[in-house]
Amino acid sequence: GAGVSQSPSNKVTEKGKDVELRCDPISGHTALYWYRQSLGQGLEFLIYFQGNSAPDKSGLPSDRFSAERTGGSVSTLTIQRTQQEDSAVYLCASSLDGGASYGYTFGSGTRLTVV
Amino acid sequence: AQSVAQPEDQVNVAEGNPLTVKCTYSVSGNPYLFWYVQYPNRGLQFLLKYITGDNLVKGSYGFEAEFNKSQTSFHLKKPSALVSDSALYFCAVRETGSARQLTFGSGTQLTVLP
Repeated sequence: GAGVSQSPSNKVTEKGKDVELRCDPISGHTALYWYRQSLGQGLEFLIYFQGNSAPDKSGLPSDRFSAERTGGSVSTLTIQRTQQEDSAVYLCASSLDGGASYGYTFGSGTRLTVV
Repeated sequence: AQSVAQPEDQVNVAEGNPLTVKCTYSVSGNPYLFWYVQYPNRGLQFLLKYITGDNLVKGSYGFEAEFNKSQTSFHLKKPSALVSDSALYFCAVRETGSARQLTFGSGTQLTVLP
């Protein structure tokens, strides 16, 4: 598509429930990133996919968080047993490749609220 | 390790005046530096980047930034601010040849007053 698409745009869930957030990157972009944006906290790196390589999961805050990328395209971020501190905007970005000189194209994000 | 600091949470400037949003970085080697802007309820939009070459980089919407290696800074500037420039600005860094993702600063809220 023309841009990075994320769904849903908003999600309200009860504490303890599982949620899935979806990201559809720009066609042809091999690199895909997930970040979390909390109020006043800036952007926190979560996970990075590059082509068929093993993902860099070094930013995932706990084992309740996982992500996959199917067919080198769409990615799903799953949060199990959600907690109130998981409330944030989850941003997905893609890049032409993992090369350092390319900037990212971001989606509009999913605002997650855990009540 | 790579890191970036935006020392000001909030910058206010009058319309028509010059604006500066500060950014300093820390990397072991050479940096790639970026500025992004975020409007309310939107994702981040790319403004400009420094990869190599001329230290003064020009980007979208009349913004520019100067790479200063000795001061490890990459401040964002614009000669004449517009009310429509009001937004949240993020600086980001990636160390060349090592880290695979950008590290972002905490953001600076720019408010341009009419």
